[in-house]
Amino acid sequence: RKEVEQDPGPFNVPEGATVAFNCTYSNSASQSFFWYRQDCRKEPKLLMSVYSSGNEDGRFTAQLNRASQYISLLIRDSKLSDSATYLCVVNVVTGGGNKLTFGTGTQLKVEL
Amino acid sequence: DVKVTQSSRYLVKRTGEKVFLECVQDMDHENMFWYRQDPGLGLRLIYFSYDVKMKEKGDIPEGYSVSREKKERFSLILESASTNQTSMYLCASSAGGATDTQYFGPGTRLTVL
Repeated sequence: RKEVEQDPGPFNVPEGATVAFNCTYSNSASQSFFWYRQDCRKEPKLLMSVYSSGNEDGRFTAQLNRASQYISLLIRDSKLSDSATYLCVVNVVTGGGNKLTFGTGTQLKVEL
Repeated sequence: DVKVTQSSRYLVKRTGEKVFLECVQDMDHENMFWYRQDPGLGLRLIYFSYDVKMKEKGDIPEGYSVSREKKERFSLILESASTNQTSMYLCASSAGGATDTQYFGPGTRLTVL
């Protein structure tokens, strides 16, 4: 089983739609959770951290369920500029420091 | 503004060549990382470093080595390049701590013929 699993998509949605991505992780010792965004032929960049209480940043809402080892990202009122690959990322603190494990990403295409 | 730079965007090498990929960060970050990214496999950690002259193996270190002689510079070395090392290589840095953001360089697309 992969450490971090995501539906690869692609998710093709019309502009203005609401879309949700899910992610599961296998290591119950995971302590920190993130969503990164990667545009085509670009490097990944942090979109938002994910907190136990859930958190929102504009049109983006992230949720964490530790009991189910499940993370979600909700995007409301999708824009063309939201088209990208969204990477679910889990941080496990080891003896040597922190280590990020990346999911393979979910591709989103927002269309007119 | 945070900045991570990589020495080349595109590189073509022949099987058996020794390859150096350089990464420099200007944020005084303690931690630096090398990943490779392949379709369907995502980003996989090759090596990382938490301090000068310190290195730790990641998930796929075989066929690679690293060097960190200065805080701002982290080099990835392919001692004898092979075709299965054709990939996108991404360097990242972070300040440290469990919740720290990693900042990535633009990547080097390496092709080994």
